[in-house]
Amino acid sequence: AQSVAQPEDQVNVAEGNPLTVKCTYSVSGNPYLFWYVQYPNRGLQFLLKYITGDNLVKGSYGFEAEFNKSQTSFHLKKPSALVSDSALYFCAVRLLRDDKIIFGKGTRLHILP
Amino acid sequence: DSGVTQTPKHLITATGQRVTLRCSPRSGDLSVYWYQQSLDQGLQFLIQYYNGEERAKGNILERFSAQQFPDLHSELNLSSLELGDSALYFCASSFQQGTGNTIYFGEGSWLTVV
Repeated sequence: AQSVAQPEDQVNVAEGNPLTVKCTYSVSGNPYLFWYVQYPNRGLQFLLKYITGDNLVKGSYGFEAEFNKSQTSFHLKKPSALVSDSALYFCAVRLLRDDKIIFGKGTRLHILP
Repeated sequence: DSGVTQTPKHLITATGQRVTLRCSPRSGDLSVYWYQQSLDQGLQFLIQYYNGEERAKGNILERFSAQQFPDLHSELNLSSLELGDSALYFCASSFQQGTGNTIYFGEGSWLTVV
């Protein structure tokens, strides 16, 4: 079955420290991979995506993600966390054959001042 | 602003009632997706339309239905509402299906069933 896993329900990071939010996927074929962020009472905002090419993709607000095909992972990273990065983060996979978009359960990121 | 517009933003209704949620996709986007987000279920895919035709179905209840009109806006109809239908309903759109086009989300419609 196709699935996306975000193994951590919550991640706590001190402000100024690097952060990583993990995502692994299990799909057949080559997927397109996305990260979204959701602030309280708001919709999902697009952060970045991997389609093809360089395994390290850069996105909004200083975030980047590394695609690792052998480990089927697409971890979200930021070198220096801000308190304003505190939000709910979703990893998503878009399947080409039926255009289904599968989301992980989300990871709540808390940046501690 | 994603360019995806959803109305109403908030809705309170009684059990057994029927409501319609409306979505206007980004200009030029042909695909529309509907998602339900609740505290215990996460983000659940309901249904997808592409240029007026249903293309994919997820965990959508029989009491729910949707359609996409010729002007590409979409409506999600929820009937015989139950308390458990209280959730945030998102619409999303993208230009094409089956590509790397970004999917953009609206701000959602909060439905409270009392």
